[in-house]
Amino acid sequence: EPEVTQTPSHQVTQMGQEVILRCVPISNHLYFYWYRQILGQKVEFLVSFYNNEISEKSEIFDDQFSVERPDGSNFTLKIRSTKLEDSAMYFCASSNLLSRNQPQHFGDGTRLSIL
Amino acid sequence: AQSVTQLDSHVSVSEGTPVLLRCNYSSSYSPSLFWYVQHPNKGLQLLLKYTSAATLVKGINGFEAEFKKSETSFHLTKPSAHMSDAAEYFCVVSDQTGTASKLTFGTGTRLQVTL
Repeated sequence: EPEVTQTPSHQVTQMGQEVILRCVPISNHLYFYWYRQILGQKVEFLVSFYNNEISEKSEIFDDQFSVERPDGSNFTLKIRSTKLEDSAMYFCASSNLLSRNQPQHFGDGTRLSIL
Repeated sequence: AQSVTQLDSHVSVSEGTPVLLRCNYSSSYSPSLFWYVQHPNKGLQLLLKYTSAATLVKGINGFEAEFKKSETSFHLTKPSAHMSDAAEYFCVVSDQTGTASKLTFGTGTRLQVTL
């Protein structure tokens, strides 16, 4: 069964440094998402992306964050200047239809630790 | 805004006994609801979805959930727990606005299965 793959599985970064989290969505999917889960808290929506542009973003997704689909397979989340509070598990997801009935398929996540 | 409430943060059952994980939703229209499971160090796996076709929904690994509009509930059940069911379970509601779809997660229920 096709999977969403995320790399790296664990990223350790100094505060203030830039970090890029990578995702390869399922190949025929057109809609892409990032979520995050701070330790002990809920999974939170960050951003959705379609047709090479952001379709919706949460208030968490401020100017420090950006997303990109640099080629036909990768979908990246960049945090420009990391803060301690950015430490979390980041999940990428994809879906092939735009419908609230359509489930999103998740990767295994990247654990980001900011020191 | 739509939301889900998971009533128990932690549930413990003995192997072979029934499982009940509770979820209540809040929505101004007929919701699209999902249950996802997260095993340790793994991503979020779809268990089942409700999209207004049938009120009793069967999922993977013997799980099922019943949508009850009168009670605004979507509880997850399994007749007989297995050790491999130990994981975190999330009740999720989906919403669509324009060209975006996003998931809103409950706080999660950690299921412990004992011998």
